[in-house]
Amino acid sequence: DAGVIQSPRHEVTEMGQEVTLRCKPISGHNSLFWYRQTMMRGLELLIYFNNNVPIDDSGMPEDRFSAKMPNASFSTLKIQPSEPRDSAVYFCASSFSSPGGYGYTFGSGTRLTVV
Amino acid sequence: SQQGEEDPQALSIQEGENATMNCSYKTSINNLQWYRQNSGRGLVHLILIRSNEREKHSGRLRVTLDTSKKSSSLLITASRAADTASYFCAPGGELTFGKGITLSVRP
Repeated sequence: DAGVIQSPRHEVTEMGQEVTLRCKPISGHNSLFWYRQTMMRGLELLIYFNNNVPIDDSGMPEDRFSAKMPNASFSTLKIQPSEPRDSAVYFCASSFSSPGGYGYTFGSGTRLTVV
Repeated sequence: SQQGEEDPQALSIQEGENATMNCSYKTSINNLQWYRQNSGRGLVHLILIRSNEREKHSGRLRVTLDTSKKSSSLLITASRAADTASYFCAPGGELTFGKGITLSVRP
């Protein structure tokens, strides 16, 4: 398995533009997580899905952020309109959830710069 | 969900020494996980310990879990320069992370 695949690896955009980040989880995993990491705030959980359904989006900063998971193999995180303070590294992670729990696999991240 | 509190925030040791990192949490958990993050990379899962386990080993890693004290420790034995990274604990099944521990291993 190629692991969790995120695209693009780097994104530079101008303030006000729409940004779409993509994630392909590991096949067979039924939980997917979006995180944002900055020096100031550390690693923040934005939203997570279980069986393609959003379970907890309380970490989404504001209405400019939205996430979808149309099927088990694809998820997007969209920022519209983008602002300089959205600059961060965005990580996607997936897991197979079960009562005992399993480790999570993270993607390599998308480094977003909004200028 | 809850996040772990790692301690110390930063640790600097000489290659070959052991590194001990601690994690505390607040509410009961089914498992606790430790992750490593190298600079500029995503987190890598190191080890998961379940609530009915007290100790677990994986190579040079040893993890302990004390559910009565709501704490866990990660021991890296015979550290190497390549162990230089940030380390995070994640108590419970919903992954929220603390600030992590920055480990520097000097050659």
